[in-house]
Amino acid sequence: EAQVTQNPRYLITVTGKKLTVTCSQNMNHEYMSWYRQDPGLGLRQIYYSMNVEVTDKGDVPEGYKVSRKEKRNFPLILESPSPNQTSLYFCASSPDNSGANVLTFGAGSRLTVL
Amino acid sequence: SQQGEEDPQALSIQEGENATMNCSYKTSINNLQWYRQNSGRGLVHLILIRSNEREKHSGRLRVTLDTSKKSSSLLITASRAADTASYFCATDARGAGKSTFGDGTTLTVKP
Repeated sequence: EAQVTQNPRYLITVTGKKLTVTCSQNMNHEYMSWYRQDPGLGLRQIYYSMNVEVTDKGDVPEGYKVSRKEKRNFPLILESPSPNQTSLYFCASSPDNSGANVLTFGAGSRLTVL
Repeated sequence: SQQGEEDPQALSIQEGENATMNCSYKTSINNLQWYRQNSGRGLVHLILIRSNEREKHSGRLRVTLDTSKKSSSLLITASRAADTASYFCATDARGAGKSTFGDGTTLTVKP
């Protein structure tokens, strides 16, 4: 089944404890992206990647890092999480970004930082 | 700031009625898409309309695009309780290489 898989789905952590949210897609998509969703603020893009070893900042990149060493994986790293990073995170992918960026989303990762 | 803004923020209708949601955006776009999200779950793509198209249909969905007004509308006809969800528009700005989402419209369809 074609899908985007995120792990963990739920996580409670404490301020300053580094964590990684993994994202993997099995569709050979070139484009991958991370979003966070907060009440009243919609979905905001954190980082995106047009291809392997190519990443760019989205609208809210502060406090996050990403890497794209392989086509299928696009992990989101929080080096020193803070309570304002408590949110629902979504990873998404699409075949490419040449003009019809139809995104396939993962199920989401709900992160709570205490 | 967000590229797309949906209106209304919330909409409540009876089953069988039509639901109309609107999206406005700020900059020139390649295309505009509508997505649906069931509570707390991932978004699912519904329909894409390109900047040179004015109207598109898919089943009970009808999308219009007015690039002169920088706006789009999503019409769901003969709504069902299962249509209850949040609906988001997303725009691909020319040359931007990313999709920008609005805040969404929460639709409730009462049986």
